Amino acid sequence: DVVMTQTPVSLSVSLGGQVSISCRSSQSLVHNNGNTYLSWYLQKPGQSPQLLIYKVSNRFSGISDRFSGSGSGTDFTLKISRVEPDDLGVYYCGQGTQYPNTFGAGTKLELK
Amino acid sequence: EVQLVESGGGLVKPGSSLKLSCVASGFTFSSYGMHWIRQAPKKGLEWIALIYYDSSNKYYADSVKGRFTISRDNSKNTLYLEMNSLRSEDTAMYYCAKGHYGYHYWGQGVMVTVSS
Repeated sequence: DVVMTQTPVSLSVSLGGQVSISCRSSQSLVHNNGNTYLSWYLQKPGQSPQLLIYKVSNRFSGISDRFSGSGSGTDFTLKISRVEPDDLGVYYCGQGTQYPNTFGAGTKLELK
Repeated sequence: EVQLVESGGGLVKPGSSLKLSCVASGFTFSSYGMHWIRQAPKKGLEWIALIYYDSSNKYYADSVKGRFTISRDNSKNTLYLEMNSLRSEDTAMYYCAKGHYGYHYWGQGVMVTVSS
């Protein structure tokens, strides 16, 4: 199985600040079809997860451009700029390239 | 608007069975792969199953293989998860999610508690 290692486990940020979350996979996430199926999700307190970024760097519908994804192969990053109160929660990376699909353990974003 | 509404959860004893449903609306259900993903209390996300849009392929996590069965009825816009031989470690919130290589939309989840 592909192991997804997310760091850090938690982050404290001031409103308006910028943060980065790292996600590394134990194997390349490049699919046979050439796509890289690495996504980022945010789970706000008491809610279902929601998709933020798919295929490494594509923002999902309605997602602010304050969120950006980058990376390739086995090393990926989510950056959040100008952090707002609504950004707080747990962020997960997930891979859909191989079965079983797997997730990182999550990064909790809190206010400083 | 895409909506996914799960139902069928509850409190059951170890060894028993349960069948979850997920009714979809707001998109052409028969065109998309669908997943079940679960989250144990205070834990992270665990993918457990995928079914292709036409039911031609199904994939499972090792933790549920042989005990859980994913299925769908495209005429009813409904996804199912049949769960047998339930264990305490199956206690979780179960989400259905739309997508194939990722999860573009999620339901609100349904709680399954396995306890004697």
